Amino acid sequence: GAGVSQSPRYKVAKRGQDVALRCDPISGHVSLFWYQQALGQGPEFLTYFQNEAQLDKSGLPSDRFFAERPEGSVSTLKIQRTQQEDSAVYLCASSLFGAGGNQPQHFGDGTRLSIL
Amino acid sequence: RKEVEQDPGPFNVPEGATVAFNCTYSNSASQSFFWYRQDCRKEPKLLMSVYSSGNEDGRFTAQLNRASQYISLLIRDSKLSDSATYLCVVNNDMRFGAGTRLTVKP
Repeated sequence: GAGVSQSPRYKVAKRGQDVALRCDPISGHVSLFWYQQALGQGPEFLTYFQNEAQLDKSGLPSDRFFAERPEGSVSTLKIQRTQQEDSAVYLCASSLFGAGGNQPQHFGDGTRLSIL
Repeated sequence: RKEVEQDPGPFNVPEGATVAFNCTYSNSASQSFFWYRQDCRKEPKLLMSVYSSGNEDGRFTAQLNRASQYISLLIRDSKLSDSATYLCVVNNDMRFGAGTRLTVKP
């Protein structure tokens, strides 16, 4: 596809379950970002990949959050032992070059995660 | 202090009004800046880049003030369809502001 694709669009899980969210960036984009967005707030940075290297994971809120991009393309954000406060929209974005350059980020539609 | 700060609003303006938002940033080494627009329950979409000399795209003007470390977005002749949340991002830090909500009323 031409844009960033995320799946699933909606995910409902019970507290304590593990979830995995997928992001398929624009083909050829070097950088991939994950953000968490709570209602009424701006996107909060979680982590950043340049190709397969995770260069910044300072935004991951706890060790229950884990992200990978093993082949430098598709990325998965995994949340273990989910808590109610994990309920949010998880946005993935990609950009052509490395972070800090003059290329903007392009966003997927997001995954809306609800923890019951 | 957060790396990127915006006035959350809401800004409620009549059609045809001119409205401006600011966004302050803390990292003086920041090099690239963007404004995004986000509609309710949608993903952020790029509105415009912010260039050092300022830039204009139709009714929208973006400016950068490095000395005071802020960027601004000016919307002239606002339309009902401009109602949205406007987010600034400082690319180096990959940090977004919390967004400014704009409502344009008939």
